[in-house]
Amino acid sequence: NAGVMQNPRHLVRRRGQEARLRCSPMKGHSHVYWYRQLPEEGLKFMVYLQKENIIDESGMPKERFSAEFPKEGPSILRIQQVVRGDSAAYFCASSPPFNVAYTFGSGTRLTVV
Amino acid sequence: GENVEQHPSTLSVQEGDSAVIKCTYSDSASNYFPWYKQELGKRPQLIIDIRSNVGEKKDQRIAVTLNKTAKHFSLHITETQPEDSAVYFCAAKVNAGNMLTFGGGTRLMVKP
Repeated sequence: NAGVMQNPRHLVRRRGQEARLRCSPMKGHSHVYWYRQLPEEGLKFMVYLQKENIIDESGMPKERFSAEFPKEGPSILRIQQVVRGDSAAYFCASSPPFNVAYTFGSGTRLTVV
Repeated sequence: GENVEQHPSTLSVQEGDSAVIKCTYSDSASNYFPWYKQELGKRPQLIIDIRSNVGEKKDQRIAVTLNKTAKHFSLHITETQPEDSAVYFCAAKVNAGNMLTFGGGTRLMVKP
């Protein structure tokens, strides 16, 4: 079991570009969660998805951010028109149904220059 | 929604001493309380968890206690070792949902 796979590990984008972060959950896990971690800070919830459904996006900024978890393929967190304040580590976690024991991926460190 | 406060934000102990990290939560419906350890540049990893029907759980040098009435829970690490140095996060899950709300983290430094 390869665990939760995130890619890329590091992503550099210029202001105004788009960032796409990918997350493949562990085998058997149908729930995916995205968290953002600013330097020296905690994990802030962004969005919770199941296959083809957004369950809770209360932590997502209203503009420029979107997430999906299609029937086939990884979950995608998309940030349009990135700004310097988007620079952070973005962690994805997954869990099986009816069990909230998260397994985290290694994260994507986004740097906006 | 749930709010989780964690203290202290930094903790420095001598090797062999004990370390205690405390968290409080706001939603009395929360029923699951995990602790994660995050080493520098790495992913958070689950080290221990406790459910609301249990008051204490122990795993070797690590123990977690839960006081539902006071809505707080604590992580206890005994006989600390340099490799325990990391950032520790507590979290809480509300019964109705599946998301975890995390505390702000505690940076533990164990001095040899």
